[in-house]
Amino acid sequence: DGGITQSPKYLFRKEGQNVTLSCEQNLNHDAMYWYRQDPGQGLRLIYYSQIVNDFQKGDIAEGYSVSREKKESFPLTVTSAQKNPTAFYLCASSMWDSNSPLHFGNGTRLTVT
Amino acid sequence: AQTVTQSQPEMSVQEAETVTLSCTYDTSESDYYLFWYKQPPSRQMILVIRQEAYKQQNATENRFSVNFQKAAKSFSLKISDSQLGDAAMYFCAYRLDTGNQFYFGTGTSLTVIP
Repeated sequence: DGGITQSPKYLFRKEGQNVTLSCEQNLNHDAMYWYRQDPGQGLRLIYYSQIVNDFQKGDIAEGYSVSREKKESFPLTVTSAQKNPTAFYLCASSMWDSNSPLHFGNGTRLTVT
Repeated sequence: AQTVTQSQPEMSVQEAETVTLSCTYDTSESDYYLFWYKQPPSRQMILVIRQEAYKQQNATENRFSVNFQKAAKSFSLKISDSQLGDAAMYFCAYRLDTGNQFYFGTGTSLTVIP
């Protein structure tokens, strides 16, 4: 079955460590996205990528980095520069067509202590 | 700026009754696509319904329908015959015809009372 796989489901890190969240899709979608979800704030866009080797900052990119070396993969690194990294992270993808909806992974809950 | 407003942080409905969740948005563009997503306690985001802005006819998917008022920039979701499984957070979103970004509201938490 086609879909988006995020791993791991839960991730724990010590403050000051970088951590990478995995996102893989086999939907052959062009665009991929990373969102952060905090209580009461909905979904906030961190980064998105429309094609391989290209990506754009979203509204809250500071403290995060991404890469898009393959169409299927869009990993997100949460660096030690991110002041409040504890959150729920959602990866999504869509086709290039503007009427195409977002398809989401199951999310990763990151806890930094 | 592209914004989406969901003015009802929380709503409740009796099982089998009907509830309407409101959503307004702000864009100067004329061509865009609107979506409602459901996020149950599992936190999996599920597409509920979508609407093309150029279509006057309101979209319907089984018990879910929308009331799309383009001039008012309003896109409400009506859930008929509410079921316990409808309890979730609901997010309104839109995507411009000219871009790949999606703009989300802050969500409405729906409780279904047995």
